[in-house]
Amino acid sequence: RKEVEQDPGPFNVPEGATVAFNCTYSNSASQSFFWYRQDCRKEPKLLMSVYSSGNEDGRFTAQLNRASQYISLLIRDSKLSDSATYLCVVNGGDSSYKLIFGSGTRLLVRP
Amino acid sequence: DAGVTQSPTHLIKTRGQQVTLRCSPISGHKSVSWYQQVLGQGPQFIFQYYEKEERGRGNFPDRFSARQFPNYSSELNVNALLLGDSALYLCASSPQIDNQPQHFGDGTRLSIL
Repeated sequence: RKEVEQDPGPFNVPEGATVAFNCTYSNSASQSFFWYRQDCRKEPKLLMSVYSSGNEDGRFTAQLNRASQYISLLIRDSKLSDSATYLCVVNGGDSSYKLIFGSGTRLLVRP
Repeated sequence: DAGVTQSPTHLIKTRGQQVTLRCSPISGHKSVSWYQQVLGQGPQFIFQYYEKEERGRGNFPDRFSARQFPNYSSELNVNALLLGDSALYLCASSPQIDNQPQHFGDGTRLSIL
């Protein structure tokens, strides 16, 4: 079983749509949770950290369910520029604070 | 302020050769981590260094080694290159070794022929 699992997609949605991504993680000791965005052949860029209380940044909302070891990302009013791969990331839960990445969910927003 | 900088941008090597990749963290960041990303996968953790000491090692063979210098920059060395080492190598930095997010450089794209 992978440590972080995501649906690879692609999710193909029209502009203005709302889209949701989910991921699950296996290590209950993980303490930090993030969503990164990666454009084709570019480096991952931090989209947002994810907190237990849930957090929102403009059109983006992230939720964490520690009991179910489940993380979600909701994107409202999708823009063409949102087309990218979204990586679910958790820390390793050990002293190194290494990041463990899912394989990513690809989003395509069409005009 | 400059972000994480990596060099070279691209590199082509042949099997059996050795390669050194370089990384300069964001100014003030003391923790540097290295990741390998092959096509279609998320980045895989290789090493983490903090205050010049190795603080974490991923599931990579001993052909992979790294070090951190007093100015917090870092090098990743890979010996006896294999075709499977072809990947994007990413360096990430963070201020401390804690739960804060890591910030990535543009990466070095390594191709093995």
